[in-house]
Order: sequence, then structure tokens, then C-alpha cells
Amino acid sequence: AQKITQTQPGMFVQEKEAVTLDCTYDTSDPSYGLFWYKQPSSGEMIFLIYQGSYDQQNATEGRYSLNFQKARKSANLVISASQLGDSAMYFCAMRPSSYKLIFGSGTRLLVRP
Amino acid sequence: GAVVSQHPSWVICKSGTSVKIECRSLDFQATTMFWYRQFPKQSLMLMATSNEGSKATYEQGVEKDKFLINHASLTLSTLTVTSAHPEDSSFYICSATLGVYGYTFGSGTRLTVV
Repeated sequence: AQKITQTQPGMFVQEKEAVTLDCTYDTSDPSYGLFWYKQPSSGEMIFLIYQGSYDQQNATEGRYSLNFQKARKSANLVISASQLGDSAMYFCAMRPSSYKLIFGSGTRLLVRP
Repeated sequence: GAVVSQHPSWVICKSGTSVKIECRSLDFQATTMFWYRQFPKQSLMLMATSNEGSKATYEQGVEKDKFLINHASLTLSTLTVTSAHPEDSSFYICSATLGVYGYTFGSGTRLTVV
């Protein structure tokens, strides 16, 4: 079965500190992609970062990095130097071979000033 | 970049009426469009996959007669919620695949049925 699991319904982080959002996945596809999206209260889905299953190095995009541990089937998102504008819902998603994007349940992040 | 324009952003309709939501790819051809539904504080659940020129494929448990999806051209996919009821109130969002380059999402439609 294809599944994405996010075990943290909500997280708090102090402004300027780093935070890790957890994501584990399950798939039998040899080739897949992992995404992180940010969804503010407006509802739009904002792409943050992508990791391919065959990528040797962890993906980084500015303040976002993805801690990819293939053997453990985890793809945690690390946000460095949190900003107030980072407060939002964060979704981990997986693209299996069918290309139907599967989403986790999400983590609500609140950045404290 | 590849942009999907989704309209309307929000709509209020009376119970029993039908509502059409449009997703247009502005600067690329979207051969495949995915339609998602999201209840408050929940995840995005895939409703159906539409491919240009063919019938949509619905996920298990989604009523195809209630949620009519049409993908008549490479730039337009529509979702029609027929005979809407209050339980159909939700956030609906479309997404086009860009192949290996990922996905692009519409801005979403908040539907409220009264």
C-alpha cells in the first residue's frame, strides 16, 4: 500500500530557530518522488522542496532542506531560521509510479515571536 | 512557470443546485489534471484523475454522478458538483502534473452549500 504518515499534528517553534517536520512513507515502487508543500490559510499549495528516490544527496532549497533516509523510508523537512511567515500547514506528499500524488495528514506549524 | 488558474475562488450555492469549478492551464498543456477535496484541518484527498479527451477515473468512494469531471481540451478541466448538499461543502483544488518537474496547483475553490 502507498502511504504517507505525518505524526505531528501541530508544532511550535521559536522565531529564528530550526524545526524538523517528520514524514515517513511506504511504497513498493522502485522509483518515486517526495514533495513538501506549504499551505497557508488562503489554501494555496506552495511547493517547497523535492527529493527523488534515486537522488544521492539530500535536497536543499534556501532555508528548506530534506533529510532523506531511504532505508528508514523517511523524508523529514528541516526549516532553518524560522520566520513568522512560516506559520502554516505543511504537507508531505509522495509521487508513486502512477503519478497520483498522495498526501500525508499534515503538520500545523506555529512560529512564536 | 506553469500556472493553473482556478475559478471561482469561493462560491455559495443553494442546496439542490449545481456548481461548476474550472481549472485552466495558462501557459502549458495539461494532459492530466487531478481533483482533490479538502475538509477543514484535514489532508487533500484525491477525488479523480482527468485526462484530456477521455473519461475521468474516480477514486473509490467518490460518486461519479455527483462530481462530474470534464477535460475537453488540453487547457481546461472542469468539476461540476451536481445537486449539491451541505455535506458537499468543502475546499476543492485541482492540480496538473508537469511530469518529472512536479505538479502545479490551482488556488482552490471554497464551496459552501446552504
